[in-house]
Amino acid sequence: DIVMTQSPDSLAVSLGERATINCKSSQSVLSSSNNKDCLGWYQQKPGQPPKLLIYWASTRESGVPDRFSGSGSGTDFTLTISSLQAEDVAVYYCQQYYSTPFTFGQGTKLEIK
Amino acid sequence: QVQLQESGPGLVKPSETLSLTCAVSGYSISSGYYWGWIRQTPGKGLEWIGSIYHSGNTYCNPSLKSRVSISVDTSKNQFSLKLNSVTAADTAVYSCARRGSGGWYFDYWGQGTLVTVSS
Repeated sequence: DIVMTQSPDSLAVSLGERATINCKSSQSVLSSSNNKDCLGWYQQKPGQPPKLLIYWASTRESGVPDRFSGSGSGTDFTLTISSLQAEDVAVYYCQQYYSTPFTFGQGTKLEIK
Repeated sequence: QVQLQESGPGLVKPSETLSLTCAVSGYSISSGYYWGWIRQTPGKGLEWIGSIYHSGNTYCNPSLKSRVSISVDTSKNQFSLKLNSVTAADTAVYSCARRGSGGWYFDYWGQGTLVTVSS
């Protein structure tokens, strides 16, 4: 199985500041069929299911604010929130879909400083 | 708007079978996409269980494959999960979710339902 490791486990950022969450996979998730990284990012708020934010490592899902961006390739990926808003308080997960079983990171809890 | 809703018992006894159903609205399962199950626990986090196509083609997590059965009922626009021989380790929030159009990310999720395994 591909192991997904996120860092940090928790993060406190001031409103309006940048938040950066990292995700590392135990092997490359770059698909040879389309030269895209099979990596997604989700946001989960209390009592709600995860919400897809980013797929193919950097493609924003429809309706997701452009302050959310994804970057990286191969085994190292980053989710960046350019200017933190109060409603961004949540747990964030990365997920690889390069191979089964599809696996998730352990989550990063984002709070307001 | 695609909506998914899980239903089933919230309490299952050890060694028995966990059974859940996911009703889909706003989209016909027969039109495509894979539909599946993901569970979440405080200890193990998010775990993909398996997914099914309307044809019945199924992918399952090898760690659960021997205990899992996923089926689809296109006439009712729903799909189901059965997990047998449950233990306390199977206590989790179970969510149904749809595979994205281009890859195995999950773009629509149900709200999730807590299933507790206890005598």
